[in-house]
Amino acid sequence: ETGVTQSPTHLIKTRGQQVTLRCSSQSGHNTVSWYQQALGQGPQFIFQYYREEENGRGNFPPRFSGLQFPNYSSELNVNALELDDSALYLCASSPRGYPVGTDTQYFGPGTRLTVL
Amino acid sequence: KQEVTQIPAALSVPEGENLVLNCSFTDSAIYNLQWFRQDPGKGLTSLLLIQSSQREQTSGRLNASLDKSSGRSTLYIAASQPGDSATYLCAVTVTGGFKTIFGAGTRLFVKA
Repeated sequence: ETGVTQSPTHLIKTRGQQVTLRCSSQSGHNTVSWYQQALGQGPQFIFQYYREEENGRGNFPPRFSGLQFPNYSSELNVNALELDDSALYLCASSPRGYPVGTDTQYFGPGTRLTVL
Repeated sequence: KQEVTQIPAALSVPEGENLVLNCSFTDSAIYNLQWFRQDPGKGLTSLLLIQSSQREQTSGRLNASLDKSSGRSTLYIAASQPGDSATYLCAVTVTGGFKTIFGAGTRLFVKA
């Protein structure tokens, strides 16, 4: 059984650019969540997707957007990058729980984004 | 607004010691509480999930308890080993919006 995978592993961008991060859910999982983790802090919830619809959102501006595809893989898009967007971005998938999104979350290894 | 606090921020213990990590949250309107382990620069590994209706969960040398009314959870690690060295994070999934809120973590170092 393949776990949660993320790509790329590392990424360097400059301020003002746009970035797309990708996540493949664990087999059989239909819910995916994205988190931002700054150095030395706990992950901050960005949003969650269930069956291609946004199911919950944290306190992040609209320039953070996402997509979930029919195969339950997902993308995180960030526009107009700022220096403070430098962080580890984590994706987590979970099987269908009830209510949706309340089951165990399984995390990928993350994408390290550096904004210069 | 839900806030999650973990105490202590860091802990160093000799091998073999039993230890307790603490997690507190401000709002009892949660679906569940989950404990994770994170190795440096890596993703998170799920350790235990406690539903809001449960009091505790056990897995091997780990035992987690939940007291929703007082907003507290503890993670008990028995007979600690150097391989247990990592950051331990607790997270609550809140009702109304399905947000998951993490604490800042406890960095554990187990000395051989």
